[in-house]
Amino acid sequence: AQSVTQLGSHVSVSEGALVLLRCNYSSSVPPYLFWYVQYPNQGLQLLLKYTSAATLVKGINGFEAEFKKSETSFHLTKPSAHMSDAAEYFCAVSNTGRRALTFGSGTRLQVQP
Amino acid sequence: DAGVTQSPTHLIKTRGQHVTLRCSPISGHKSVSWYQQVLGQGPQFIFQYYEKEERGRGNFPDRFSARQFPNYSSELNVNALLLGDSALYLCASSLIQDGTRDGYTFGSGTRLTVV
Repeated sequence: AQSVTQLGSHVSVSEGALVLLRCNYSSSVPPYLFWYVQYPNQGLQLLLKYTSAATLVKGINGFEAEFKKSETSFHLTKPSAHMSDAAEYFCAVSNTGRRALTFGSGTRLQVQP
Repeated sequence: DAGVTQSPTHLIKTRGQHVTLRCSPISGHKSVSWYQQVLGQGPQFIFQYYEKEERGRGNFPDRFSARQFPNYSSELNVNALLLGDSALYLCASSLIQDGTRDGYTFGSGTRLTVV
C-alpha cells in the first residue's frame, strides 16, 4: 500500500527564512503526490501536485516541491517564510486506482517574527 | 462560485446516538469523497461516491455508511457513536472519479464531538 512519511511534526522558522518540510513516499508504482495546507478551523487547500510531468512543481503562495525518485522524496520548500504561512501542512499520495488520497501525519509550521 | 459546502459546521452528540453529515459538491462535480481527521492526525479516507454509486471504501466499520443523491450531494451516516468518532469530517469533490488528475476540492468540514 502506498504511504507517505512526514519528518518533523513541528517546524519553526523565522520570518524571511527558508521553509523546508519533508515528505518521503513509499510506492511500488510511480505515484501522484500532493501537498495540502490547513489553516486553523478550515478544510484543506491544495498547494501543488506532482503527476509525473516536470519533477520541479511550482504551487501557490510561492511554494514549490521537487520529486526525487532516487530518494523517494517530495519535500516542500519556500525561499522566504511569511507570517501568513503558519499552518498545518500535509503530504499525500494517491492510492492504487486513484480513488483516494493517503495523507501523512502533518507538519505544523510556526513562523516567528 | 460556491465551493464544497458542508453542514452542520459543528455538532455535539451523545455516545450511542446516530449522526448525519451533509455535503454539497462544487457545481458540475460528480464525485464526492469523505475523510475523517482525528485531532493531531492526517485525514483518513472513508468513502468515495461517483455517479451515485460507491466506488471506494476505507478501513472503517459498518457503522459508517454514505449515499449520493441525483443532484450529487452526499450524506455520511454514523450509527452507534463512540467517543473515538470525535473528529473533523471532511468532504471533497472532484469533476471525475479520478480526482488526482484535476484535483480534489475540500470543504471546511464538520466538527463532530461525541460526549
